Amino acid sequence: DAGVIQSPRHEVTEMGQEVTLRCKPISGHNSLFWYRQTMMRGLELLIYFNNNVPIDDSGMPEDRFSAKMPNASFSTLKIQPSEPRDSAVYFCASSLEGGQPQHFGDGTRLSIL
Amino acid sequence: AQSVAQPEDQVNVAEGNPLTVKCTYSVSGNPYLFWYVQYPNRGLQFLLKYITGDNLVKGSYGFEAEFNKSQTSFHLKKPSALVSDSALYFCAVRPNQAGTALIFGKGTTLSVSS
Repeated sequence: DAGVIQSPRHEVTEMGQEVTLRCKPISGHNSLFWYRQTMMRGLELLIYFNNNVPIDDSGMPEDRFSAKMPNASFSTLKIQPSEPRDSAVYFCASSLEGGQPQHFGDGTRLSIL
Repeated sequence: AQSVAQPEDQVNVAEGNPLTVKCTYSVSGNPYLFWYVQYPNRGLQFLLKYITGDNLVKGSYGFEAEFNKSQTSFHLKKPSALVSDSALYFCAVRPNQAGTALIFGKGTTLSVSS
């Protein structure tokens, strides 16, 4: 069965540009998570949704970051305007509610020049 | 504040030797406990979890983990390490309450030499 699908896998863009990362969770999963991973800060939770509703966005760095989940099969993470310090690997994960494990996509490697 | 600690940034073992990757947590109640592994350029992969029951949990690829409630620890173990086990390992804890996400440790790099 298909896992969590993220696109694009790699994104290189110039500072100031808008960046949109996309995620398709595993069908039937009702929780979706966005993470950022860097060498300096490790794995950080940015935001998570339950049943398409944002539950906790306290990890979103600043107003330049926004996330949406218009339906159960799609989510986006947008950065506008992008800055070089946003360069990182961004992961999306999904799970069922309760004590079920999260399933991760292979990430989007974002480089802001 | 609730937290997860992986006290070792790196663990080095020789192939065939037993390995242990340590994890302790500070979370109230009876949390759910997880281990994940990350290979280069890949997302995290679920290895095993503890919710309740037997303190020794078996997972994928021959890994197991031992839950110790009094020490609030959940150490990852394998009796005989393989070179292919070399990767980044994350311990994670989910408080047993609705509307909470996983709390991840900083990760431990396991290096298995031949």
